[in-house]
Amino acid sequence: DAKTTQPPSMDCAEGRAANLPCNHSTISGNEYVYWYRQIHSQGPQYIIHGLKNNETNEMASLIITEDRKSSTLILPHATLRDTAVYYCIVRVDNAGNMLTFGGGTRLMVKP
Amino acid sequence: DTEVTQTPKHLVMGMTNKKSLKCEQHMGHRAMYWYKQKAKKPPELMFVYSYEKLSINESVPSRFSPECPNSSLLNLHLHALQPEDSALYLCASSQAGQPKAFFGQGTRLTVV
Repeated sequence: DAKTTQPPSMDCAEGRAANLPCNHSTISGNEYVYWYRQIHSQGPQYIIHGLKNNETNEMASLIITEDRKSSTLILPHATLRDTAVYYCIVRVDNAGNMLTFGGGTRLMVKP
Repeated sequence: DTEVTQTPKHLVMGMTNKKSLKCEQHMGHRAMYWYKQKAKKPPELMFVYSYEKLSINESVPSRFSPECPNSSLLNLHLHALQPEDSALYLCASSQAGQPKAFFGQGTRLTVV
């Protein structure tokens, strides 16, 4: 799996958009970008995934650059409950089940 | 039902005890996993079961013994653990071959 690099921590004001970057410069053509988050003392939660097109669901939007070497997870209106560690994972679909978690970004949403 | 249920939520055990962690899902997922998470660290994969067969063992010590009695249940049997095994143990499930996984809330284990 391609290696990912994320900033260790970020702050965001409540109600503002939170933009979490992820670098995956060695990504290959058949690897998807997955995002999970882990709120303190809970299990990780799936947020969104994409291959090359931008994706949006009820939780977030995923913007993948045209060269696919980086992506940004956007929480459009962050709330205090979005305070969590956000993990960006690159994975080939249908090639195995394992998720390998890197360091992630600790997002602190402040009032 | 998109829940993965883990029991117990908390467990304190002595180094000579034998205990088991339980995980259950009713989503029809045929892949189930155990992860271990130490404080302020990311989850680390321990075991993967695919179609009730152990497919991956990430060099986990034999004092951890997984079991998948059917497609809905996953157990982790614990014996002669060390204090450094104290951690949050997470269970997850997914469609076979798919990285979109659902995680339980974990069992917080303390070995004394």
